[in-house]
Amino acid sequence: GDSVTQKQGQVTLSEDDFLFINCTYSTTTYPTLLWYVQYPGQGPQLLLKVTTANNKGISRGFEATYDKGTTSFHLQKASVQESDSAVYFCALVGSQGGRALIFGTGTTVSVSP
Amino acid sequence: DMKVTQMPRYLIKRMGENVLLECGQDMSHETMYWYRQDPGLGLQLIYISYDVDSNSEGDIPKGYRVSRKKREHFSLILDSAKTNQTSVYFCASSRDIYEQYFGPGTRLTVL
Repeated sequence: GDSVTQKQGQVTLSEDDFLFINCTYSTTTYPTLLWYVQYPGQGPQLLLKVTTANNKGISRGFEATYDKGTTSFHLQKASVQESDSAVYFCALVGSQGGRALIFGTGTTVSVSP
Repeated sequence: DMKVTQMPRYLIKRMGENVLLECGQDMSHETMYWYRQDPGLGLQLIYISYDVDSNSEGDIPKGYRVSRKKREHFSLILDSAKTNQTSVYFCASSRDIYEQYFGPGTRLTVL
């Protein structure tokens, strides 16, 4: 079945550092891949969407791209701020129909000033 | 203003007690979800509802049931709560498959 794997459980950075988070996916169809962000005390919210049509998504200074050859997609930001401290989830639109997303286990990003 | 609300925000129950978690949305979304979030496990789908009285099991439905009698309202029920159901529960709604709008969560502790 469809799956996403997010191996980085925790990333610790300083302000102005470069952020890179990676996910791998497995699906039988053309993937639509998403990044959600969860700020402390809140529910997750959609950050970016990447499809095979656009290969890239950009929002709020974050950029997401995917690599069909390695079935991976990643999220990056050139210069993080303390306000970027959050949990980042990758997600895959399932190929089985319905309206369920398949979420990764999340990466906690902590940015110190 | 697009909003998903959850009540209560915090709840402490004893093992064996019944639990009712309530969720509301003001966007007229057909699809609603219940998830639980545990450290290291991410978001696990409990139930999905496609509209009133049209509910489907998610990945971990055991020990839970749901009720949706109005489009804007979706309830999660734990009959005889267990300690391993201690978690943070999130409700979400969506118009399409990509963007789910999440509520602020309910932190449930079962003693």
